[in-house]
Amino acid sequence: QKEVEQNSGPLSVPEGAIASLNCTYSDRGSQSFFWYRQYSGKSPELIMSIYSNGDKEDGRFTAQLNKASQYVSLLIRDSQPSDSATYLCAVAPNQGGKLIFGQGTELSVKP
Amino acid sequence: DVKVTQSSRYLVKRTGEKVFLECVQDMDHENMFWYRQDPGLGLRLIYFSYDVKMKEKGDIPEGYSVSREKKERFSLILESASTNQTSMYLCASRTTGAGRETQYFGPGTRLLVL
Repeated sequence: QKEVEQNSGPLSVPEGAIASLNCTYSDRGSQSFFWYRQYSGKSPELIMSIYSNGDKEDGRFTAQLNKASQYVSLLIRDSQPSDSATYLCAVAPNQGGKLIFGQGTELSVKP
Repeated sequence: DVKVTQSSRYLVKRTGEKVFLECVQDMDHENMFWYRQDPGLGLRLIYFSYDVKMKEKGDIPEGYSVSREKKERFSLILESASTNQTSMYLCASRTTGAGRETQYFGPGTRLLVL
């Protein structure tokens, strides 16, 4: 079983819709959770971090964490074509430890 | 803003050459990491460092070594480059602490070994 799992996609949504990206992880003791956006040919860019159960909102982005169910999700409201990228979920199994990355979900926002 | 810089964006080397990739961060982060990223294989950790002169092997350390003489600088060395080391190399640095850990990536170095 992979430690961090994401649907590879591609996930296609129309412009203006809500894009929902999901991630599950296997280590129940994981402490910190991150979402990165990666455009083709570029390096990953941190867009959200979340450390406790519940929702965290930043502009059009909302991260949701449910430690009991071991999943973390990212919602993108009012999706724009510029949101088209691969989204990487990353989990820190313990404080200060190395991040475990999922394989990424490719998102395509159609005008 | 956190800045992680890498010495080269693109690099072309020949098989057998010794290759140095350098990474510098300006935020006094304790932890630094080197990854490679290949299509279909995702991000794979090569080496990481928790402090100056400290290093730990990641998932794929074979054929690589690292050096961390100063806190802000973490170098990746390909002792004798091979064609299967053609890849995108990404450096990252990270601050630690409960509830505030964040990891930032540099722009990446795309290495081609001929």
